[in-house]
Amino acid sequence: DVKVTQSSRYLVKRTGEKVFLECVQDMDHENMFWYRQDPGLGLRLIYFSYDVKMKEKGDIPEGYSVSREKKERFSLILESASTNQTSMYLCASSLRSNQPQHFGDGTRLSIL
Amino acid sequence: RKEVEQDPGPFNVPEGATVAFNCTYSNSASQSFFWYRQDCRKEPKLLMSVYSSGNEDGRFTAQLNRASQYISLLIRDSKLSDSATYLCVVNNYGQNFVFGPGTRLSVLP
Repeated sequence: DVKVTQSSRYLVKRTGEKVFLECVQDMDHENMFWYRQDPGLGLRLIYFSYDVKMKEKGDIPEGYSVSREKKERFSLILESASTNQTSMYLCASSLRSNQPQHFGDGTRLSIL
Repeated sequence: RKEVEQDPGPFNVPEGATVAFNCTYSNSASQSFFWYRQDCRKEPKLLMSVYSSGNEDGRFTAQLNRASQYISLLIRDSKLSDSATYLCVVNNYGQNFVFGPGTRLSVLP
């Protein structure tokens, strides 16, 4: 079974802090993704990566950056956290771009 | 028009009922299709892929209609544990997945 592990289930941070969300997958998948999910808005793609050191902007990249130094790890960075970034963050990976994505448990992030 | 559309529901059905959801997509170049289920406050989990000829997995049947650009999910003999939100997902090869907003199902005792 594919295992996608996110570093924290719940996280509380303060406005202006730099926040790191980590995601690790154990299936040698090429592709990794970061989404946020908010009530009534569904899943929205923030950033994705098709290879090590490669990153592409998704639909809502503003206020975020990512890092993929190793194939199995994809980090999401909130450069200066704001209250409108309070959300559920979901990491996913897939073997190839037309293969189903597998999700981590999610991180519920609250910015106070 | 949104790229992937679903009726948000909720669909409230009694145990044992048969229920069907549709999902429409706007991009005719779409090539891969999936159904995910998401329980409250949990991550989406792959339920099944949708193949051109239609496919079945136990009580679940998925169909694809390329001409009308929709996919469907049929659940037979509904169980209480089927209560969840069902997400339709569409992918164009080499592009990203597009998730529908989801259809909420409540199976009632």
